[in-house]
Amino acid sequence: KAGVTQTPRYLIKTRGQQVTLSCSPISGHRSVSWYQQTPGQGLQFLFEYFSETQRNKGNFPGRFSGRQFSNSRSEMNVSTLELGDSALYLCASSSGGQGVSPLHFGNGTRLTVT
Amino acid sequence: AQTVTQSQPEMSVQEAETVTLSCTYDTSENNYYLFWYKQPPSRQMILVIRQEAYKQQNATENRFSVNFQKAAKSFSLKISDSQLGDTAMYFCAFMKLSNDMRFGAGTRLTVKP
Repeated sequence: KAGVTQTPRYLIKTRGQQVTLSCSPISGHRSVSWYQQTPGQGLQFLFEYFSETQRNKGNFPGRFSGRQFSNSRSEMNVSTLELGDSALYLCASSSGGQGVSPLHFGNGTRLTVT
Repeated sequence: AQTVTQSQPEMSVQEAETVTLSCTYDTSENNYYLFWYKQPPSRQMILVIRQEAYKQQNATENRFSVNFQKAAKSFSLKISDSQLGDTAMYFCAFMKLSNDMRFGAGTRLTVKP
């Protein structure tokens, strides 16, 4: 089974621009979660999507948004980029059904904002 | 809110020896799940071991085992017979039933030859 795939692996943007990151979950997984990882703040939960609906949301400003498509693929968008948005963005998928299933992570997208 | 604390930013161990990584958490929930993830330089987070809070028996996975103390809210990871490939960042994580996983700050483990 193919793992979680994130594209692109690296991205460089300038302040004020917007960016879209993509995540393809493991086949059959319906839940996709997004995390931001920085040296200062560690791993922080952004949001989770399940069956095309946002099910959980972390404590990030509205500039961070996401969506999930009918094939469970997910995109995350960050508008009006700030220098502090430079981070590794990790996507994780799980079956998302009843109970708890472990998250399976992708390799991440390294975003640099200049 | 749930918090996860890893008090050891860095640790090192000699190859073939045993090392224990500490983790404590704070929650008012009774049903939850705990995990240890490993993040090697390749960046990918890899699940090492999981523990359901309702299970008293400590989870084991080959050379990896946990010491889960629910009353003390402690969840340590023991790595036996350490190998060079175990060198990585290790994250302790807490999750309720909502799929919102909270991570500790991580412990950087170096296995020395």
